[in-house]
Amino acid sequence: EVQLVESGGGLVQPGGSLRLSCAASGFTLSNYWMHWVRQAPGEGLVWVSRINFDGSDTIYADSVKGRFTVSRDNAKNTLYLQLNGLGVDDTGVYYCARDNDGPGAFMDVWGKGSTVTVSS
Amino acid sequence: DIQLTQSPSFLSASVGDRVTITCRASQGISDSLAWYQQKPGKAPKLLIYVASTLQSGVPSRFSGSGSGTEFTLTISSLQPEDFATYSCQQVNRYPLIFGGGTKVEIK
Repeated sequence: EVQLVESGGGLVQPGGSLRLSCAASGFTLSNYWMHWVRQAPGEGLVWVSRINFDGSDTIYADSVKGRFTVSRDNAKNTLYLQLNGLGVDDTGVYYCARDNDGPGAFMDVWGKGSTVTVSS
Repeated sequence: DIQLTQSPSFLSASVGDRVTITCRASQGISDSLAWYQQKPGKAPKLLIYVASTLQSGVPSRFSGSGSGTEFTLTISSLQPEDFATYSCQQVNRYPLIFGGGTKVEIK
């Protein structure tokens, strides 16, 4: 079964850091670009970042640029998102998603999400 | 950045109804649009990509159309399991943008 499982979320104080992981199974991670998408409580989906096959090319939303870093370890079939300088506006569920093997950056497989709460 | 405006933001409908949701882009995006379904507490699910291609396993009562700046998602006959929030997404250029969502509730 094709699956993505996020972990690493939790409660962190403003200014703190977290590292999210996304473990892939049922497919070869190195064959796919990957995305992170977040969703604040009661709000819509917001794209955060994209990484290419081998991690040599990454792109970020302006709201997280310079604070978040996406990376991957294809040997471990795992995607990461390092979150630094967290603010209350970063609170939400963070999803990893697979970029479909076709035209455009459509996301065909999603994890269940990892919840990040930034609060003092 | 490209902006996406969905309408309506909320829709009340009955089982069996035909439902149409619109997504308007602030500039032309060709057919670089997807539709996702999301149920409370769950991850989004890809329904439609390149504006009108049905994702594998998605029921044929879902269809998408449009190109350029105006797109529609249609559910031909609403089923109980279709009550959810639907979001469009443009993939024409970065940053990728999602629409604000349309919540479909039971009348």
